[in-house]
Amino acid sequence: EDQVTQSPEALRLQEGESSSLNCSYTVSGLRGLFWYRQDPGKGPEFLFTLYSAGEEKEKERLKATLTKKESFLHITAPKPEDSATYLCAVRSYTGGFKTIFGAGTRLFVKA
Amino acid sequence: DADVTQTPRNRITKTGKRIMLECSQTKGHDRMYWYRQDPGLGLRLIYYSFDVKDINKGEISDGYSVSRQAQAKFSLSLESAIPNQTALYFCATSPGGLDTQYFGPGTRLTVL
Repeated sequence: EDQVTQSPEALRLQEGESSSLNCSYTVSGLRGLFWYRQDPGKGPEFLFTLYSAGEEKEKERLKATLTKKESFLHITAPKPEDSATYLCAVRSYTGGFKTIFGAGTRLFVKA
Repeated sequence: DADVTQTPRNRITKTGKRIMLECSQTKGHDRMYWYRQDPGLGLRLIYYSFDVKDINKGEISDGYSVSRQAQAKFSLSLESAIPNQTALYFCATSPGGLDTQYFGPGTRLTVL
């Protein structure tokens, strides 16, 4: 069964303190891995799609990487405005039309 | 203006009542989805539609029904609401191909 596990559940950082969020996945034939950002009271906002192991994508202070078992979202020198919940999701070739979402990591960045 | 809108944004109702949540989009996408989000759980797919004549059940469709009135409109109904349907509900759209989804702001539904 396709599964996505995100860790940690919550992460508290000081402004400028770089760190990484983890997304471990089990899927039969990865079709795509997605990262979304969700602010309180809002819907998820798309960040990245990764398709194959070794792929990396960057956007401002965020960098997403992918291996055969997990993805990392690296946050470099975070700012308070990076505080949000970050969601990871996967789609498989064998799962029909279904995107499996993780429960998310809540990130708090203190000034 | 928001590309994906949902109404209402908040709703409190009682057990047994019929409820309709509405979603409209101006992105011109063919594919639309309904998800629910519960604390500590990931988003779970309720129904999805690839076009007006194509409606499909997701992983948790029991107790829900949908209507695709037009390319831009997709409604979710709870025929007889129960307390464990209390959740955040999100509508999303995608342009087809590989699955980048664009979400609405959500509806917070409370069933007493």
